[in-house]
Amino acid sequence: RKEVEQDPGPFNVPEGATVAFNCTYSNSASQSFFWYRQDCRKEPKLLMSVYSSGNEDGRFTAQLNRASQYISLLIRDSKLSDSATYLCVVNRADTGNQFYFGTGTSLTVIP
Amino acid sequence: NAGVTQTPKFQVLKTGQSMTLQCAQDMNHEYMSWYRQDPGMGLRLIHYSVGAGITDQGEVPNGYNVSRSTTEDFPLRLLSAAPSQTSVYFCASSYSSSYEKLFFGSGTQLSVL
Repeated sequence: RKEVEQDPGPFNVPEGATVAFNCTYSNSASQSFFWYRQDCRKEPKLLMSVYSSGNEDGRFTAQLNRASQYISLLIRDSKLSDSATYLCVVNRADTGNQFYFGTGTSLTVIP
Repeated sequence: NAGVTQTPKFQVLKTGQSMTLQCAQDMNHEYMSWYRQDPGMGLRLIHYSVGAGITDQGEVPNGYNVSRSTTEDFPLRLLSAAPSQTSVYFCASSYSSSYEKLFFGSGTQLSVL
């Protein structure tokens, strides 16, 4: 079983739409959680960390459910510039604090 | 502030050749790591280091060597390139290895013929 699983998409949504991405992780020793954004052929960049109480950064909201080992990302009022691949990332304490990446979810925002 | 500098951006090798991918960071980060990214696989950890003189294997270490003689540099060596090593390689660093965000280099597109 993969450490981190994501629906690869693609998600094609119109501008202004709300879109949600989900991610599950397999190991309960996972201790920290992130969403990264990756543009085509570029390096991943941190979008936001995910905290147990949930957190929001502008149009982006991240949620964590430790009991279900589930992470989500909600994007409201989608912009053309949101088109990218979104990577779910977890960090495990029991493997030397290694980071584990999902395969990513592709989003295209259509004018 | 240069951040994480990774070279080269592109490389073509023949099977059996060796080469070194360079990675340097100027942020005084203790943690450095190498990933490869293949279609449908996500980023997979090759090797990582939690400080100068300390290295450890990640998920896919076979065929690669690393060393960490300084805090700034973390080169990745391909000993005898194979077509299965065709991939995009990213170097990443962070202040520590747990809750800190990763800073990535711009990547190396490697093709092994």
